[in-house]
Amino acid sequence: DVKVTQSSRYLVKRTGEKVFLECVQDMDHENMFWYRQDPGLGLRLIYFSYDVKMKEKGDIPEGYSVSREKKERFSLILESASTNQTSMYLCASSLSGLAGVWELFFGEGSRLTVL
Amino acid sequence: AQKITQTQPGMFVQEKEAVTLDCTYDTSDQSYGLFWYKQPSSGEMIFLIYQGSYDEQNATEGRYSLNFQKARKSANLVISASQLGDSAMYFCAMRDFATDSWGKLQFGAGTQVVVTP
Repeated sequence: DVKVTQSSRYLVKRTGEKVFLECVQDMDHENMFWYRQDPGLGLRLIYFSYDVKMKEKGDIPEGYSVSREKKERFSLILESASTNQTSMYLCASSLSGLAGVWELFFGEGSRLTVL
Repeated sequence: AQKITQTQPGMFVQEKEAVTLDCTYDTSDQSYGLFWYKQPSSGEMIFLIYQGSYDEQNATEGRYSLNFQKARKSANLVISASQLGDSAMYFCAMRDFATDSWGKLQFGAGTQVVVTP
């Protein structure tokens, strides 16, 4: 069965702390994504990666960085957490390819609260 | 820039009735795909149905069907015979095949559906 696993379901951090959100997929997918979900705004893409050590900015990359050292693992890093980064973070993966039903497979989400 | 609009923030529907969730999209490209996802309160995103811009038939998957009107740029999700387990947030999303090789999706704001007995 397809599986995307996010390491923490719930985190509480303090302003200024460095935060790591980890995501692992077992489907050998090339592409991995980090989205942020906020009420009324839907899901917004932060960063994505199409290969090991390769990354591209999404729509809202400010305040975030990512790391992909292994194909199965994609980490989201908040260098200095701020209260406006309180949100639900969703990791996803997909195959590469042209037009087709390459749906994203999502993890269960990590709900981050920054105090 | 692409944009997905879901105008219904929330809906109530009675069990066994059908419900239509609206989705309109904005793109100047001809090749794209439209997706619907379900997110129960537990948080995971569940893929429901897909419609390609060149597909001639409306997509169907069990109780889910997609009312695709290309000229109007709408891709409404129809859930027939609603069940209590259908209570969830529903997201419409689009992928632009002309500009994206990686599977990036652009999501709407979502519609919260509550099914009542």
